[in-house]
Amino acid sequence: SQQGEEDPQALSIQEGENATMNCSYKTSINNLQWYRQNSGRGLVHLILIRSNEREKHSGRLRVTLDTSKKSSSLLITASRAADTASYFCATLNTNAGKSTFGDGTTLTVKP
Amino acid sequence: DGGITQSPKYLFRKEGQNVTLSCEQNLNHDAMYWYRQDPGQGLRLIYYSQIVNDFQKGDIAEGYSVSREKKESFPLTVTSAQKNPTAFYLCASSISPSGRNTGELFFGEGSRLTVL
Repeated sequence: SQQGEEDPQALSIQEGENATMNCSYKTSINNLQWYRQNSGRGLVHLILIRSNEREKHSGRLRVTLDTSKKSSSLLITASRAADTASYFCATLNTNAGKSTFGDGTTLTVKP
Repeated sequence: DGGITQSPKYLFRKEGQNVTLSCEQNLNHDAMYWYRQDPGQGLRLIYYSQIVNDFQKGDIAEGYSVSREKKESFPLTVTSAQKNPTAFYLCASSISPSGRNTGELFFGEGSRLTVL
């Protein structure tokens, strides 16, 4: 079963609004990463946050991590139609040597 | 340009046939991975390889096989034993599997397999 679980499963907003997606996980992690997938394409890495970090920014992206609650959020500000995609969180446990993905949030940004 | 190349992009298979999906990377990455994605779902790990000539089963390895004879190549064979092989298959690589890097994955564009 997937360790990460994204919430909501689907999100539809208007261009210019902010989009927030959440991710919960179950075991200890070394870092958490967010990926984006356009329909029918491969995944692209967006941003990484380490287990000792609480917040990170990259352009219009803001990621938070709460290790006590085992959760993370991805905020996309001032969304654009081009942000329409599925977004996945992935947790890395270096002992396991692999990343585990959630089921993703499908974001639709209406022009 | 450096990257990961998967082929074919689309593949049709008759029941009972084995098929092999190709994955090649020129990023000089040590680790390579195969994931399966079903519609509307996340990625599930099939097999991964941390170094040449070595690989480990992931969460759903049954009905699949891999080899890692070269650093650049990690082909996946979907065997006739895989009961429901229709899916989107994604190959990925990372600099090294764990501990020495962030684990950031670089993905290919995927191969869509349909069983007729």
